[in-house]
Amino acid sequence: ETGVTQTPRHLVMGMTNKKSLKCEQHLGHNAMYWYKQSAKKPLELMFVYNFKEQTENNSVPSRFSPECPNSSHLFLHLHTLQPEDSALYLCASSQDPQAPLYGYTFGSGTRLTVV
Amino acid sequence: DQQVKQNSPSLSVQEGRISILNCDYTNSMFDYFLWYKKYPAEGPTFLISISSIKDKNEDGRFTVFLNKSAKHLSLHIVPSQPGDSAVYFCAASATSGTYKYIFGTGTRLKVLA
Repeated sequence: ETGVTQTPRHLVMGMTNKKSLKCEQHLGHNAMYWYKQSAKKPLELMFVYNFKEQTENNSVPSRFSPECPNSSHLFLHLHTLQPEDSALYLCASSQDPQAPLYGYTFGSGTRLTVV
Repeated sequence: DQQVKQNSPSLSVQEGRISILNCDYTNSMFDYFLWYKKYPAEGPTFLISISSIKDKNEDGRFTVFLNKSAKHLSLHIVPSQPGDSAVYFCAASATSGTYKYIFGTGTRLKVLA
């Protein structure tokens, strides 16, 4: 399989649940990212991993917890979310973590609904 | 405060005509710009880029223009095709010392057959 794969595609969870989003890239890229896209808002960068090390946490609440066990896999662990966390969560990767000149390769996203 | 703005949330264009999507930015340190295209239920895909040393970059039917003094870039699609109907995002980055791209809110383009 090629590209960036995200699972699940859709997720509905209660505010007391714990769930995880998974992202996998088969491109040999060195950097991976989590973005959040809410309705009528720009894509918001959440976390950056460069060679498996977290290099950026963009003031994200602790109810979102990323994990990068290797340079091909990225997780976003979710617990005690709020309804306003409902959004499309996009994973991306890039070969060059320093201002990738060819942009990112995005996954299709996980549509999260918190009820 | 949004550093990258796409002030038109939507645009409709007749097939065969030119589509012009606009993007404005406020940070003068931005020196690299990308356009992404997003279909429903898919992630954004890279379309075309431009660096601040150029004022124009062309790739087939897609041309991006950069006006640094006005802090404005535009994407031209000629001729527009129904398959171009999608949401288009612009993104900007300062390549010195940072790797963050700042995205606009997107413009939904509808090409009418």
